[in-house]
Amino acid sequence: GQQVMQIPQYQHVQEGEDFTTYCNSSTTLSNIQWYKQRPGGHPVFLIQLVKSGEVKKQKRLTFQFGEAKKNSSLHITATQTTDVGTYFCAGSQGNLIFGKGTKLSVKP
Amino acid sequence: DSGVTQTPKHLITATGQRVTLRCSPRSGDLSVYWYQQSLDQGLQFLIQYYNGEERAKGNILERFSAQQFPDLHSELNLSSLELGDSALYFCASSAPGGHRSDTQYFGPGTRLTVL
Repeated sequence: GQQVMQIPQYQHVQEGEDFTTYCNSSTTLSNIQWYKQRPGGHPVFLIQLVKSGEVKKQKRLTFQFGEAKKNSSLHITATQTTDVGTYFCAGSQGNLIFGKGTKLSVKP
Repeated sequence: DSGVTQTPKHLITATGQRVTLRCSPRSGDLSVYWYQQSLDQGLQFLIQYYNGEERAKGNILERFSAQQFPDLHSELNLSSLELGDSALYFCASSAPGGHRSDTQYFGPGTRLTVL
């Protein structure tokens, strides 16, 4: 069936370091969404990318959608302790398929 | 606050029992989705309802069932509970359209513990 793979599963960084999580699909996606789940919280929608090669920025977060619309990435510049949580990508082919998430921990 | 409410927040029960989880979507949203999240696991899609009708089914066990009522709130029924059913259960809703690719707004979740 449809699958969205996300790597890495865990990432530990020192505060101030950059962080990137990658999302890959074996099939072309109509769009991709990113969600963040803080520890003890619920997933919260961050952004949606629709166009091939699209790049969107939210402050220190940069989201990219691949040219083939099969992959995406989320890059955080100069991580802060407030960035801690699990980041999920969710790919759409009509149905929204969530990746397993990347759990980010930040050491102050 | 996403506008999606879920009750109860916590639920502790024993194996073999049956429980009902409740979800009220955001005002105006017609779609409700249910997800299961086990410890350190991703979001497992269970089922979607749109305006009272089942729209899509995921990895939902036969012991589990759901429904959406005319006022659009939804209930997830879990029966013959097993230890492995212990998890966070999230409800999400999305705007009219009914496609699972619409942005989903998640409730705070119900933490189910089966002893």
